[in-house]
Amino acid sequence: DVQMTQSPSTLSASVGDRVTITCRASQTISGWLAWYQQKPGKAPTLLIYKASTLESGVPSRFSGSGFGTEFTLTISSLQPDDSATYYCQQYNVYPRTFGLGTKVEIK
Amino acid sequence: QVQLLESGPGLVKPSETLSLTCAVSGDSINNYYWSWIRQPPGKGLEWIGYIYYTGSTNYSPSLKSRVTFSVDTLENQFSLKLTSVTAADSGVYFCARHTFGDPLRVWGQGTLVTVSS
Repeated sequence: DVQMTQSPSTLSASVGDRVTITCRASQTISGWLAWYQQKPGKAPTLLIYKASTLESGVPSRFSGSGFGTEFTLTISSLQPDDSATYYCQQYNVYPRTFGLGTKVEIK
Repeated sequence: QVQLLESGPGLVKPSETLSLTCAVSGDSINNYYWSWIRQPPGKGLEWIGYIYYTGSTNYSPSLKSRVTFSVDTLENQFSLKLTSVTAADSGVYFCARHTFGDPLRVWGQGTLVTVSS
């Protein structure tokens, strides 16, 4: 299985800060990486796919980059509504695997 | 707009079989892949597997020996059965829709399953 390693596991930042989350794959997955946002008690929602393509309706402050084994999710200006846990997922091969998540808290 | 709704018993006894159904409304089940994902309390997401509307399946190796998916195109729903459950199988179970080369774009709200005697 492809192991997905996310860092940090938690982060605390202020409104307006630029926030970056990293995801590393144990083997190359080309650009087949997705980012999801999950709020407590809710299902995850797709933010970004193909490493850098913004899902329809997702605010432009979210962006993704990377290829191969190293990927990042960036929130350019953190908003109160962004308090959530973020997961990366590879969909290059089966079984599809997720990172352990990054919990983003607002200071 | 497509909607997915998971249903099933919220409580299952250890060693028994967990059975869940995901009802699809607002679109046909045809021509899509349908995955199950689970999330233990306070933990991350685990992909269980998918079923295509034709009935072909792909299971996670870690659960392959205990899991079976089925699809009912007439009722526009698909199901999961997980045998010999233990407390480690407790958590929220989600169903989701995708195409072959796509991420999990549409999710159900999830259903909580607790394994306990």
